Amino acid sequence: NAGVTQTPKFRVLKTGQSMTLLCAQDMNHEYMYWYRQDPGMGLRLIHYSVGEGTTAKGEVPDGYNVSRLKKQNFLLGLESAAPSQTSVYFCASTHGAIEQFFGPGTRLTVL
Amino acid sequence: AQRVTQPEKLLSVFKGAPVELKCNYSYSGSPELFWYVQYSRQRLQLLLRHISRESIKGFTADLNKGETSFHLKKPFAQEEDSAMYYCALSLYGNNRLAFGKGNQVVVIP
Repeated sequence: NAGVTQTPKFRVLKTGQSMTLLCAQDMNHEYMYWYRQDPGMGLRLIHYSVGEGTTAKGEVPDGYNVSRLKKQNFLLGLESAAPSQTSVYFCASTHGAIEQFFGPGTRLTVL
Repeated sequence: AQRVTQPEKLLSVFKGAPVELKCNYSYSGSPELFWYVQYSRQRLQLLLRHISRESIKGFTADLNKGETSFHLKKPFAQEEDSAMYYCALSLYGNNRLAFGKGNQVVVIP
């Protein structure tokens, strides 16, 4: 089992560009989450999904969109990247037993 | 409103010394608390949860509802304990977690 994987690992964008981050899990988990990690801010929840075809806003959803067309995938989109979105993005999943399993992270820089 | 508070950003301790990471929470329901750890260049992983009441890698944490705290303790720090530690609170519904801002622990040889 690969667990939770994220693509890409690193990315540099210019302001205004768009991109999609892919999260995939092979554990048949219902719940999936996108966080951003910033120094001194901890992990903040961007969006989450409680099952295929569902999405919901987290703590800091502005500037991001998500989709969960397949149970194993959770996509995070930035339509028009801004420097404030420079961060490390983590995806996580769980089957409802509370423990969340995290991906390795995507380091995004917006110039 | 900040639900999970970790007051110290950086904690430096000597090898063999005790380490304590403070975590306080604010929650009206029945709390479920966790400590997650992120070692250098590794992904975030669960260290322990209050429900299991177990000791992992020598770490323990006791939930004190009266003081709304879930402090993480280890009597003798090891170099491999150097990492970022996050306290997390399970929010009611949808298995969401609210994380604290994290503690960077550096164990000095």
